[in-house]
Amino acid sequence: DQQVKQNSPSLSVQEGRISILNCDYTNSMFDYFLWYKKYPAEGPTFLISISSIKDKNEDGRFTVFLNKSAKHLSLHIVPSQPGDSAVYFCAASAFSFTGNQFYFGTGTSLTVIP
Amino acid sequence: AAGVIQSPRHLIKEKRETATLKCYPIPRHDTVYWYQQGPGQDPQFLISFYEKMQSDKGSIPDRFSAQQFSDYHSELNMSSLELGDSALYFCASSPPAWEGRAYGYTFGSGTRLTVV
Repeated sequence: DQQVKQNSPSLSVQEGRISILNCDYTNSMFDYFLWYKKYPAEGPTFLISISSIKDKNEDGRFTVFLNKSAKHLSLHIVPSQPGDSAVYFCAASAFSFTGNQFYFGTGTSLTVIP
Repeated sequence: AAGVIQSPRHLIKEKRETATLKCYPIPRHDTVYWYQQGPGQDPQFLISFYEKMQSDKGSIPDRFSAQQFSDYHSELNMSSLELGDSALYFCASSPPAWEGRAYGYTFGSGTRLTVV
């Protein structure tokens, strides 16, 4: 059962506009959330994270919003640039003493059109 | 900074052969994860190891086995290779839980396996 879901497999946005990528989760024990960016034939790279004690975290053009009651998080990219074109995965984790285990969504392919 | 090292970067094997992929995690990381990404697909979780013990198992075929050694490096052994095993195999590592989860996993660059 998919505990982390990204319901939009793809998204196209004009350069300079805002990109909004969404992610939903089902496990209320999740308390850490991350976004990864992945280019073809490369490993995913960490982008930004947020813990459940916050509802917003910002890093430059990237902002992640967390709505715990709705079990929803989103990644905003403003302004979008062509180099942002990639697949974005959200991931969630619940604390465990026996190793970190993150559950990944299925990804959203973002295309930023110049 | 040290990253997750995977070897080899590319591997070509024939059907029914055996392949071994290696992963060297970031120093002090105690958990290793293996993922398989087929052509046009999202990465699929295969298996993970915490402190040299299997911690979680995903969609890993019975023909595959893996282990984590005393120096924390991990090897994924794949036998009776099939054409469908051709994929990009990623390894990731993460630090101990008490160090926090702010940065999640660090992924390697992957091993591209081609079965012919």
